[in-house]
Amino acid sequence: QITLKESGPTLVKPTQTLTLTCSLSGFSVSTRGVGVGWIRQPPGRALEWLAVSFWDDDEHYSPSLKSRLTITKDTSKNQVVLVINNMDPADTATYFCVHKAYGSPRTPKFDFWGQGALVTVSS
Amino acid sequence: QSALTQPRSVSGSPGQSVTISCTGSSSDIGTWNYVSWFQQHPDKAPKLLIFDVTTRPSGVPDRFSGSKSGNTASLTISGLRAEDEADYYCCSYAGNQIFWLFGGGTRLTVL
Repeated sequence: QITLKESGPTLVKPTQTLTLTCSLSGFSVSTRGVGVGWIRQPPGRALEWLAVSFWDDDEHYSPSLKSRLTITKDTSKNQVVLVINNMDPADTATYFCVHKAYGSPRTPKFDFWGQGALVTVSS
Repeated sequence: QSALTQPRSVSGSPGQSVTISCTGSSSDIGTWNYVSWFQQHPDKAPKLLIFDVTTRPSGVPDRFSGSKSGNTASLTISGLRAEDEADYYCCSYAGNQIFWLFGGGTRLTVL
């Protein structure tokens, strides 16, 4: 079955760079028609979509964070990595990676979610 | 870009029906039939309930239904159960520049 698992630091300092890894099982990053995305949720607040990488190397980013985000795929390890530059306390959140199901690339059909990784930004 | 607008909270008694609205604009919900709904229980990852406005993934009870009119999408939960108490989020495609937008979330309380 499909599973996703986020890993990375739990604490980063302001201005540092955050690197989060999503390890995939049950499907490949190269599976035709699928995508892997990142969504975050600050404590007690709403979900916010960040980025997505599709099977065909197409990528999209949230416009408000685009300058700070990089999403990459590692086909050999079957992982998707999200890098966020210049972290700020406002970036404190649980970060989820998600499987975007086969179908139109436009549909937000996030049918499998990782458990989430809480990242705190503090000096 | 602004998040989609949802009521902060709704409530209903067991067995009743509730509807949660998600208001966007002509750039997102009004143009595209790519709206999803998610349910999130405390300290859990969200769960997909509805995609493409009205489609339920396998395993989601038919008590959950989605619809759209103009710039507003809606999630209706009929036959409310205690386990439906959770936060609900809508998400819509918003064009190639913004791509996806989430709503601010709605807390459902089952009285």
